[in-house]
Amino acid sequence: IQLTQSPSFLSASVGDRVTITCRASQGIDNYLAWYQQKPGKAPKLLISAASNLQSGVPSRFSGSGFGTEFTLAISSLQPEDFATYYCHQLNSYPYTFGQGTKLGIK
Amino acid sequence: EVQLVESGGGSVQPGGSLRLSCAASGFTFDDYAMHWVRQAPGKGLEWVASISWSSGGIGYADSVAGRFTISRDNAKNSLYLQMNSLRPDDMALYYCAKDMAVSQWGAFDIWGQGTMVTVSS
Repeated sequence: IQLTQSPSFLSASVGDRVTITCRASQGIDNYLAWYQQKPGKAPKLLISAASNLQSGVPSRFSGSGFGTEFTLAISSLQPEDFATYYCHQLNSYPYTFGQGTKLGIK
Repeated sequence: EVQLVESGGGSVQPGGSLRLSCAASGFTFDDYAMHWVRQAPGKGLEWVASISWSSGGIGYADSVAGRFTISRDNAKNSLYLQMNSLRPDDMALYYCAKDMAVSQWGAFDIWGQGTMVTVSS
């Protein structure tokens, strides 16, 4: 199952609302997770089961979707949110990740 | 504190072998599936392999199937990745990750800091 994220690069300002889309090549129900990765650090799980916010993750992050189209939204960007974001399907082997979306400061 | 610490990375020639280890602490290791994910320099994340809590279920990426073997020792709270016939495109930072679900398959909620594997002649 291929995952295609869009956009691959995104420039935004503090306070902006941004959305990242992840499209699956076939239906994966809600078996999708989102991770945030900062340079030199391990990925951090933000959202599981398409829309379940992990404990400790700010409520400005939200996830939605089912089947083949999913969205990660950040409602009001903070300086610490500039990072790379990956979607990840866990519906079936081989598990796959999207190619990543790098969120940079405008 | 839940913690995963990888070790065993290093430099190896093409065709060589390495065994990665991941020491787990701070949680009941045999309740959770475990995973290996890699990241080539400057590239994205690539799932490598997964193993269930009881070792009864195992999966591999097509790129490593037949060359890599994932295993675990629940008595030692440890996860392993035996890597044989290494190729230059196996060069990456290898992360160990814990599944979030007890006795189920879920997302990866805890990650180690990674161990680097370099494959070069």
